[in-house]
Order: sequence, then structure tokens, then C-alpha cells
Amino acid sequence: AAGVIQSPRHLIKEKRETATLKCYPIPRHDTVYWYQQGPGQDPQFLISFYEKMQSDKGSIPDRFSAQQFSDYHSELNMSSLELGDSALYFCASSLGQGSPLHFGNGTRLTVT
Amino acid sequence: EDKVVQSPLSLVVHEGDTVTLNCSYEVTNFRSLLWYKQEKKAPTFLFMLTSSGIEKKSGRLSSILDKKELFSILNITATQTGDSAIYLCAVEAGRGGADGLTFGKGTHLIIQP
Repeated sequence: AAGVIQSPRHLIKEKRETATLKCYPIPRHDTVYWYQQGPGQDPQFLISFYEKMQSDKGSIPDRFSAQQFSDYHSELNMSSLELGDSALYFCASSLGQGSPLHFGNGTRLTVT
Repeated sequence: EDKVVQSPLSLVVHEGDTVTLNCSYEVTNFRSLLWYKQEKKAPTFLFMLTSSGIEKKSGRLSSILDKKELFSILNITATQTGDSAIYLCAVEAGRGGADGLTFGKGTHLIIQP
């Protein structure tokens, strides 16, 4: 069965650079969520989109922005990267509201 | 602020043992509680619970929710080494729409042969 696809798998950037992470939800899933998981930490909710509109916002820094496109894929844009942004970034998708989230394998971002 | 607390944080048992993982929560406008298993990569979905007292079962795993006492348990019987993982409890709460999940810190379960 098709799963949530994230790219790239790994990304190394320097401080103050920008990064763009991509997420392709499970087909027919209309809701996308972004989470950040630091080493040894639980996933922290960043932002979500439903039907291409921002739905909820968590602990997403102002330096980050995201959007969901007409084909339902989503991109997380991260600017002025800091060392503390190094983490595993998960995308999850669900079929509408009230159905379980299914996670992608994540993008591991390392900021040096 | 929504809060999800899991216990124990870490558990080491022998193969064949039965384990019970706990998750308690304090949230506003509870909607559902979810259990995930996280090995090396993405959390994989186990159960979604919305109603009290109804056990959900999948093979050797089962889970139940108590909305009055605000907790859930995840049981694993006849444990196997492949059950070793971090088990995450998450709660969906909020005004509606695609609310993000609030995760607990997880229970790190190690099954020894």
C-alpha cells in the first residue's frame, strides 16, 4: 500500500541557509501535518493543512513556513537555519479529520 | 496546556512476558487517543480510541480508554523481541479541524530473548 513519501531523506545545511522539505501524502488523503522530533524527544506538532488551507498551528518558528498545493503535497520551508533546527522532520497525512495519522519516514536535517 | 504522560519511561522484560503501558492525559476538548510504535523511523499506527471501555485488539496487542479517569493502557501479551520499540501515546484535542497531536515522551520497551 502507498505510504507517505518525504524527500529528501537526509539534508545537511549550514547555519543561516534555507531548506525545503517535501511531503507527498497517501493518495486521497486531504490533510497533512508536520512534526519535528529532536534526538530522544517526542514529536512536536508544527503545522497542519486541510484541503490546501492551513488548519492548525503548533510550535512552528516564524522562520518556517509551509503550504499545501493543489495536488495535496506539502512543502515546509525553513530559513535562517539554526543549529537547534537539527532534527527529524516527519510529515503525516490522514483522510479527513478524525481519522488516524500515518507518518512518512521523515527527513533528517543536520545544521552545521 | 495539553499534557500527555506515559509510564514507565523504560521497561525491560523477557520474551513471553506480558506488559502494560500506561498513558494519562489532561487536555481541553478531547477527541481521540492514539497509540504508535516507533522503531528506527516513522511512528506506525496501532490504535485509535475515542470511546470509553471498548477494547481494541490486534493480535497480541490490545488497548482500552477510560475517559472518566483520563487514561489508556496498551497491553502486549506473549512479547517477542520484535516488539522492542518506543511506544508513543498521542492525544488529539481542540476546536476541530486538523488539530495536531500532543505526544507523550514514550515508553522504551526492550524485550530480551
